[in-house]
Amino acid sequence: QKEVEQNSGPLSVPEGAIASLNCTYSDRGSQSFFWYRQYSGKSPELIMFIYSNGDKEDGRFTAQLNKASQYVSLLIRDSQPSDSATYLCAVNESGGFKTIFGAGTRLFVKA
Amino acid sequence: DVKVTQSSRYLVKRTGEKVFLECVQDMDHENMFWYRQDPGLGLRLIYFSYDVKMKEKGDIPEGYSVSREKKERFSLILESASTNQTSMYLCASSPLARDNEKLFFGSGTQLSVL
Repeated sequence: QKEVEQNSGPLSVPEGAIASLNCTYSDRGSQSFFWYRQYSGKSPELIMFIYSNGDKEDGRFTAQLNKASQYVSLLIRDSQPSDSATYLCAVNESGGFKTIFGAGTRLFVKA
Repeated sequence: DVKVTQSSRYLVKRTGEKVFLECVQDMDHENMFWYRQDPGLGLRLIYFSYDVKMKEKGDIPEGYSVSREKKERFSLILESASTNQTSMYLCASSPLARDNEKLFFGSGTQLSVL
C-alpha cells in the first residue's frame, strides 16, 4: 500500500511567523506532488503543486521537493489567522491516475 | 472557474437503503473520483473513472458501486447502506493532461446512516 505520511499536529504558530509543514511518501516513482488546504467544514482546494526537485514559490507559499529523500514540505511565510486550516499533502501514484492523500496537518495561527 | 457540484450537502438514510450520490462537473474533465473522508484517516479513494462507462476500483470499493453514463456525471451508489458508511463523501474531477492532474473538489455530502 503506497502511503503519504504527515504529522497530524496541531501545529500552532504566532501571526507573522513561518509555518513549516512536512510530508513523506513511499512511492519512489511518483512525479507529481500537491498541497491542498481544507478549512473546517469545507472541501479541499489546491494551493501548490510541484514536479521538480527544489523550491517553488507562489506568494507567501513555498513548496519544497526532495525526491531522493521522498520528502515534500510547505512553508507559509508571514502566517495569518486566515491560514488556520488543515493542510493535505497529496502524491500522484506512479504510472496511474490515483492521487494518494496524507491525513493532513492542522495549523493554527494565533493572532 | 471549474465547478464540481454534488447534489446534496447533507443526507440522512436508514440502514439497508440504497443511496445515490450524484456529482456533475462542467469543465469537460476526463477523470472523476469519489473519496470518503473520515477524521484521522484522511481522504480514501473509493472509485474513479477516466472515461465514460469506464471505472476502476480505488482503495476501499467494498459496499459501493459507480456509474458514469455521461462525461460530466459520476454517481456513487451504496447498494445497502450500513452505519460504517457514515462519512463525508467528496467528488473530484481532473483533466487528463500529464501536467494537469490537479483535483477540483465538490463541496461534499455528509452522509449519516442510522
